Amino acid sequence: ETGVTQTPRHLVMGMTNKKSLKCEQHLGHNAMYWYKQSAKKPLELMFVYNFKEQTENNSVPSRFSPECPNSSHLFLHLHTLQPEDSALYLCASSTGGRATGELFFGEGSRLTVL
Amino acid sequence: QKEVEQNSGPLSVPEGAIASLNCTYSDRVSQSFFWYRQYSGKSPELIMSIYSNGDKEDGRFTAQLNKASQYVSLLIRDSQPSDSATYLCAFGNQFYFGTGTSLTVIP
Repeated sequence: ETGVTQTPRHLVMGMTNKKSLKCEQHLGHNAMYWYKQSAKKPLELMFVYNFKEQTENNSVPSRFSPECPNSSHLFLHLHTLQPEDSALYLCASSTGGRATGELFFGEGSRLTVL
Repeated sequence: QKEVEQNSGPLSVPEGAIASLNCTYSDRVSQSFFWYRQYSGKSPELIMSIYSNGDKEDGRFTAQLNKASQYVSLLIRDSQPSDSATYLCAFGNQFYFGTGTSLTVIP
């Protein structure tokens, strides 16, 4: 199993659909992250979970809803998205705690909103 | 709003040359600084982390940190075509990333 696995790798959805992105890490880490990567823009932090508790929400619109049932799994539930939400969504994990340490990224889920 | 500015690219260097990548950050209290490499179509991977002022060397890579000037750089010696990628700097608990500098090493 690779370190951080994301599914699906590609997703096309309409503005009224509901879908979910899934992330699983096999590294024994305690922190998991969602980042958004759009062309010509900095990698943008969305959410951070430390030991299953959400510790960061970077003013993300409510149409993005994260879920972290345990330290190995992270979901991003999507509903009523806008075309400008089309981007690469990257999941990452780290050891967690006060010092983040190295981030290990998944391959990303490429989202297109029509 | 905390910000990271990276030197504008794209940057092209001949094989064997030194590539210099620069980054300034807005947060005076940050203690952790990172350089990631991202190949086209791939996810970022960590190259270097640096926490103290001065230089840190790892193989062909040297990170330089100057907290007073809020400046961090990455030098790549003996650049290889396989170094062609986008380089991202990050600070804080890696919550803040720059837009990246695209590097092309010309054989």
